Amino acid sequence: DQQVKQNSPSLSVQEGRISILNCDYTNSMFDYFLWYKKYPAEGPTFLISISSIKDKNEDGRFTVFLNKSAKHLSLHIVPSQPGDSAVYFCAASAKNTGNQFYFGTGTSLTVIP
Amino acid sequence: DAGVIQSPRHEVTEMGQEVTLRCKPISGHNSLFWYRQTMMRGLELLIYFNNNVPIDDSGMPEDRFSAKMPNASFSTLKIQPSEPRDSAVYFCASSLILMNTEAFFGQGTRLTVV
Repeated sequence: DQQVKQNSPSLSVQEGRISILNCDYTNSMFDYFLWYKKYPAEGPTFLISISSIKDKNEDGRFTVFLNKSAKHLSLHIVPSQPGDSAVYFCAASAKNTGNQFYFGTGTSLTVIP
Repeated sequence: DAGVIQSPRHEVTEMGQEVTLRCKPISGHNSLFWYRQTMMRGLELLIYFNNNVPIDDSGMPEDRFSAKMPNASFSTLKIQPSEPRDSAVYFCASSLILMNTEAFFGQGTRLTVV
């Protein structure tokens, strides 16, 4: 069963606008959440993370928001740039599952120049 | 560090043949993961090791799949016999066994079984 879900397979955004990627999870024991970015023919690379003790973490143009009551997190990219076009994976882990990372199915973002 | 190194980058094999994928984790990392990327399930965890010991292999799809980690710097994922439905990109990742830390991925092996 998919414990981390990304319900939007794709998203298109105009350059300069905000991109919002969403992720839902089912396991309330998850306490650490990550976003990865993946270009074609490359491995996923770590982008940004958030601990469950926070509800927001910002790094430059990237901000991750966590809503624990809704079991929902989102990644905001502003302003979006053509180089942001990639597949974005949401991931989660929990202390009681060791070091295991659960990934979503990914959202393909296209930023239109 | 060169990062996580996987070999080969591409593998084409005939159905029924044995396939071995290889991974060298980042030096000092003590967790290693094997993932398979599919459209339906995204990055699907197959198995992971902590300190060279398999912790959870419940994601391994069938007995045709096996993984080993003989030492801290090397792991293999073997498929025998291979089938066309095994065609996918297989990723290896490594991390430290610490709270709130990320995993680092290799560039993947694209496997095609014909």
